[in-house]
Amino acid sequence: AQTVTQSQPEMSVQEAETVTLSCTYDTSENNYYLFWYKQPPSRQMILVIRQEAYKQQNATENRFSVNFQKAAKSFSLKISDSQLGDTAMYFCAFTLQGAQKLVFGQGTRLTINP
Amino acid sequence: DAGVIQSPRHEVTEMGQEVTLRCKPISGHNSLFWYRQTMMRGLELLIYFNNNVPIDDSGMPEDRFSAKMPNASFSTLKIQPSEPRDSAVYFCASTHRRINNRGEQFFGPGTRLTVL
Repeated sequence: AQTVTQSQPEMSVQEAETVTLSCTYDTSENNYYLFWYKQPPSRQMILVIRQEAYKQQNATENRFSVNFQKAAKSFSLKISDSQLGDTAMYFCAFTLQGAQKLVFGQGTRLTINP
Repeated sequence: DAGVIQSPRHEVTEMGQEVTLRCKPISGHNSLFWYRQTMMRGLELLIYFNNNVPIDDSGMPEDRFSAKMPNASFSTLKIQPSEPRDSAVYFCASTHRRINNRGEQFFGPGTRLTVL
């Protein structure tokens, strides 16, 4: 069974700083997708970024980027120039190619301080 | 375009009562998922449907939980009888199984259920 682990329950940084959230996963499969979802206090689950396992290039979306290390089964999220609106729970998630189940990590509560 | 719609947003009920949560997926999506989020267990997949047919209900906690999808634009999750340990946020998500084959799911705003 696939598992996703987020080892940082909480993190806090100052506005404009860069912060990196960690995620590791366990699978014996080769083809899969990884995601970071953001859940602000409104509860809405918002997709931040996705990564296809077959792509070596790390995905980027504006201030958000990932460091995907397939051999190490690591998928960290870097937020540059952090903003107050980035305050939220962040969930790492995994799904096998062709499957439909999303497996989520336990989440990291990120607080951006003014 | 409207996103996934869930109702009610908040539900408070007493133990033993029946609770029905509702979901309208994004138009054109053919896969629908029900999740439960709690502090202790995080986000758990309860059940999902493809083309209105339940595919995997292994995450449904027990017989008190049931889900239906009578058509492509509507699904319900029912708890009968409800218990305090059912208190959680319940999310519905949808996707198009073939077009969106990269696994992304689109979530509704969730229903916060409190069972007293």
